[in-house]
This record gives sequence, structure tokens and C-alpha cells, in this order.
Amino acid sequence: DTGVSQNPRHKITKRGQNVTFRCDPISEHNRLYWYRQTLGQGPEFLTYFQNEAQLEKSRLLSDRFSAERPKGSFSTLEIQRTEQGDSAMYLCASSLGLGGNTEAFFGQGTRLTVV
Amino acid sequence: RKEVEQDPGPFNVPEGATVAFNCTYSNSASQSFFWYRQDCRKEPKLLMSVYSSGNEDGRFTAQLNRASQYISLLIRDSKLSDSATYLCVVNWKKAGGSYIPTFGRGTSLIVHP
Repeated sequence: DTGVSQNPRHKITKRGQNVTFRCDPISEHNRLYWYRQTLGQGPEFLTYFQNEAQLEKSRLLSDRFSAERPKGSFSTLEIQRTEQGDSAMYLCASSLGLGGNTEAFFGQGTRLTVV
Repeated sequence: RKEVEQDPGPFNVPEGATVAFNCTYSNSASQSFFWYRQDCRKEPKLLMSVYSSGNEDGRFTAQLNRASQYISLLIRDSKLSDSATYLCVVNWKKAGGSYIPTFGRGTSLIVHP
């Protein structure tokens, strides 16, 4: 399967614990995005990488959230001191190219439940 | 005001009906436009790009009006399998110059026998 891959698919954690999610984009894609989606809402943008550079971060991304893409390939999203409000689907997407004309391809997401 | 606005529905239509969804966006610097489909508890998948001249893919027709900052999707001859959430997506130019796919909340379609 050469699509976007996310791990784990599901994560249940206790409030206050740290969690880390991984995203492997489509191999030649230079752009990588993280989104969060809750029930009844569209995906909300969290952060964007072009190659290894993190170029955009949403105001939704509190200081408990950090993302990396160290070699411009896979990316990780870490949430520290999780709260119940962090429960959501975390989606990763990737795309290829420059400018604004490219479509994004999504992974299957990591569903986080904070108890 | 949200960046990309959609009526959440649900739109409840019989098989064979024609249904239209609309979407408005607030950033005139947006460059490209898409409709995605999302099935329950699945990831969004690209349905079609949207061009100013309008474009068609089988039973689906998309239109873009840049002057009015308005996008539409028309589905003809609805099938039960069209039941899903349809997400309007705008590649939104941020202050730093990057284009970020920005989503509406989605419109829910239910096609019944």
C-alpha cells in the first residue's frame, strides 16, 4: 500500500499521559499536514511541513502539542499531559508540489480517547 | 466568520433525486478548490477538483464562482452509495505564503430507497 499510513489506528490513554502518533506520507510528497477532527465537524488544521520545515502552526496547536518531520519523510505528533478535550481523530495528509494547486491525500487517522 | 461555510444538512433524498450542495469561502487569495467525500469513521477522500469553467465527472458536477466566492456540487440520479458527508475544501493562502487545505464542516447526505 503506497498511501498515507498512520499509527496507531486507535489510542486510549489516561488524562495527563503523553501520546505520540506517527504519519508516513506518500513517499515522493514534500508536503505534510496534521488535522484534528471531532464528531460533526470538518478536519481542523493543526500544522504544516514542507519537507522538514514546519511552516505553519494553527492557534489550535497549544504548547502541549509538538510535531516534527526530522528528515522530511515521516512525521510525529506528540501531545503532552493529555486532557479529555484532546479526544478526537487525528488525521495526517500529504501532497506534492509547489503553489496552491495540489490536492491532499489522507491517512486513515489515529482515534484518540482520553479517559 | 468561519473560513469555509457549508450547510451541515442532513439532506435526506430518495434514490434517483438530484441534490445540490453549496459552499462559500472568505479568502479571495484562495487558489484551488475541491470536494471531498467522507464516509462514517473513515478518512476524507478526494471526490473532484473544482474549476472556474465548471467540471463534470459522471453524475457529479462542480462549479466555482470566484467573484461570489462560492462553490457548488450537484449530484444527479442519487444512489444509496452516495450517502456520506461531502466536504468543501479551499487551498487557503496563509500570511506566510503557504497554501493550506481548509475544510468546511461538511454536508451530510442520506439517500433512501
